[in-house]
Amino acid sequence: KQEVTQIPAALSVPEGENLVLNCSFTDSAIYNLQWFRQDPGKGLTSLLLIQSSQREQTSGRLNASLDKSSGRSTLYIAASQPGDSATYLCAVSLSNTGKLIFGQGTTLQVKP
Amino acid sequence: EAGVAQSPRYKIIEKRQSVAFWCNPISGHATLYWYQQILGQGPKLLIQFQNNGVVDDSQLPKDRFSAERLKGVDSTLKIQPAKLEDSAVYLCASSLLSGYNEQFFGPGTRLTVL
Repeated sequence: KQEVTQIPAALSVPEGENLVLNCSFTDSAIYNLQWFRQDPGKGLTSLLLIQSSQREQTSGRLNASLDKSSGRSTLYIAASQPGDSATYLCAVSLSNTGKLIFGQGTTLQVKP
Repeated sequence: EAGVAQSPRYKIIEKRQSVAFWCNPISGHATLYWYQQILGQGPKLLIQFQNNGVVDDSQLPKDRFSAERLKGVDSTLKIQPAKLEDSAVYLCASSLLSGYNEQFFGPGTRLTVL
């Protein structure tokens, strides 16, 4: 059974700091991995999608890496801003049906 | 491009009552998903439709939950009767094709069962 774990559960950093969020999964036979952002009371916003054949994806200040063999992914946020404060969720898909298995999320607070 | 629409945004009911949620996916998206997100947890897939057929409903509590997607577009999720543990946010998502898995989520419906 695939399990997805995110550490830490919560993180507080000063503005401008570079930070890394971690995601681990137990079954390396994934189809892809997706990072989402969730603001309070809102739905999920897709940030980055990494296919199983890829090692990393970048979008602006965000960089996500994938190491299937070790069952790990990281989301790197450069020069953090207060507007980055949110819960970040990673999810893996085990097949091309699209079913996602989510971690429990990391709640990030960036202090001005 | 319009996003995934859901209604209502909030619902409060008493246990044993019934409730229904509605979702309108992004136009042209063949695949539609319903997720349940309990406070402090990641979303859990309840049911997945490909057009108007069910692909996966393995985690749907079928004794009380039902869902349909008529004409392969809009979808409704119903709970009857509701239990206290059904209190959660119900998220609808859609994707163009299940093979290209980027999913787009609606704002969710927050259900409180008293």
